[in-house]
Amino acid sequence: GAVVSQHPSRVICKSGTSVKIECRSLDFQATTMFWYRQFPKQSLMLMATSNEGSKATYEQGVEKDKFLINHASLTLSTLTVTSAHPEDSSFYICSARERTGGDEKLFFGSGTQLSVL
Amino acid sequence: LAKTTQPISMDSYEGQEVNITCSHNNIATNDYITWYQQFPSQGPRFIIQGYKTKVTNEVASLFIPADRKSSTLSLPRVSLSDTAVYYCLVGDETGAGSYQLTFGKGTKLSVIP
Repeated sequence: GAVVSQHPSRVICKSGTSVKIECRSLDFQATTMFWYRQFPKQSLMLMATSNEGSKATYEQGVEKDKFLINHASLTLSTLTVTSAHPEDSSFYICSARERTGGDEKLFFGSGTQLSVL
Repeated sequence: LAKTTQPISMDSYEGQEVNITCSHNNIATNDYITWYQQFPSQGPRFIIQGYKTKVTNEVASLFIPADRKSSTLSLPRVSLSDTAVYYCLVGDETGAGSYQLTFGKGTKLSVIP
């Protein structure tokens, strides 16, 4: 299947700093990528939809100024957690949509564990 | 948004066949059904996708009845390494034209030696 690379896999930062997470589709072009967050023992929660060349669409309750998303190319989307605080500590996962023929599949990155001290 | 309902958890012994059923009563005509597997601290991994009847690949089978209101993921002869959370997802076309998948709670499968 298609490969989605997410980096870094783990980051520890001080409160107030900003953290950037990268998501790359390695062998296909993704006009749409998605960002999720997941708390321990819970399901994935969609944060935003990232569209290449346009503004991201955020889900209700997700602060767009807090979680900056940039999708400048067909293979790269970035999520920046600005002025991170301990409550932002979570597992962040990206996915990219691959269209082949008449169907679509989502492929996921390996996730980023963010710990804010 | 289309919703899915799955059992919260299942236990199985090694070597047995495991069937996980998912209900999706509000599935739309154009929606596909996709199953993912997730291990702790990893992103979900695509297992199988189908639209109707039966689909089989090297790791699983997916059975979808004619009304498409449910689907069953079948894992043959599970091993300890199949212990994971399994998510059933149904494609969702929103009014704005974007396409997203909404995760339900998933089924935690525990394989016992």
